[in-house]
Amino acid sequence: ETGVTQTPRHLVMGMTNKKSLKCEQHLGHNAMYWYKQSAKKPLELMFVYSLEERVENNSVPSRFSPECPNSSHLFLHLHTLQPEDSALYLCASSQEARGTGANVLTFGAGSRLTVL
Amino acid sequence: AQTVTQSQPEMSVQEAETVTLSCTYDTSESDYYLFWYKQPPSRQMILVIRQEAYKQQNATENRFSVNFQKAAKSFSLKISDSQLGDAAMYFCAYRSAYLLGNYGQNFVFGPGTRLSVLP
Repeated sequence: ETGVTQTPRHLVMGMTNKKSLKCEQHLGHNAMYWYKQSAKKPLELMFVYSLEERVENNSVPSRFSPECPNSSHLFLHLHTLQPEDSALYLCASSQEARGTGANVLTFGAGSRLTVL
Repeated sequence: AQTVTQSQPEMSVQEAETVTLSCTYDTSESDYYLFWYKQPPSRQMILVIRQEAYKQQNATENRFSVNFQKAAKSFSLKISDSQLGDAAMYFCAYRSAYLLGNYGQNFVFGPGTRLSVLP
């Protein structure tokens, strides 16, 4: 496998369920991201992990919980979600070097989440 | 904070014709990078082209080229000889050249332009 792989591609869950989204990158990158893509809204950065630090966006509700066990894997744990959380969740990775913004994001195909 | 604006929510082009997608941005920084990403119906965002702000020469990738006007803070994407496979959402993005502290962030995306290609 190459690039950034996300599973599942589609997920339907009830408001009381607990589920997880998985992302795996095969590019040797050192930073991974979760983005939320909703209709008619710009991409929203949710979380960033790099080798040295985890960066959280304080506006992300606690019902979203990220986990990054190593530099190749990233999870987004979901619990007691709301219908407005229905969206496309995109994972991305990049190779970061401190002090430069030159590097591009490589995205996965996304997980389409529907909360009933 | 930087912002990215794409004023055309939707556009259409005839196959084999040329289309230009607009993007403007607001920043007080002098050095940065600009990107165009494409998101086809398969949903995977793909990098189309990248421009370094310190370079005066416009970036080109095959049928895709940009018109970078730094003073006007404008970064438009021109697609020549449009093909059916070019139909997608196109996102313009900005990133600071120098990331202090929490590096790995600071990509700012525009709201996107949906491009339809008519046979």
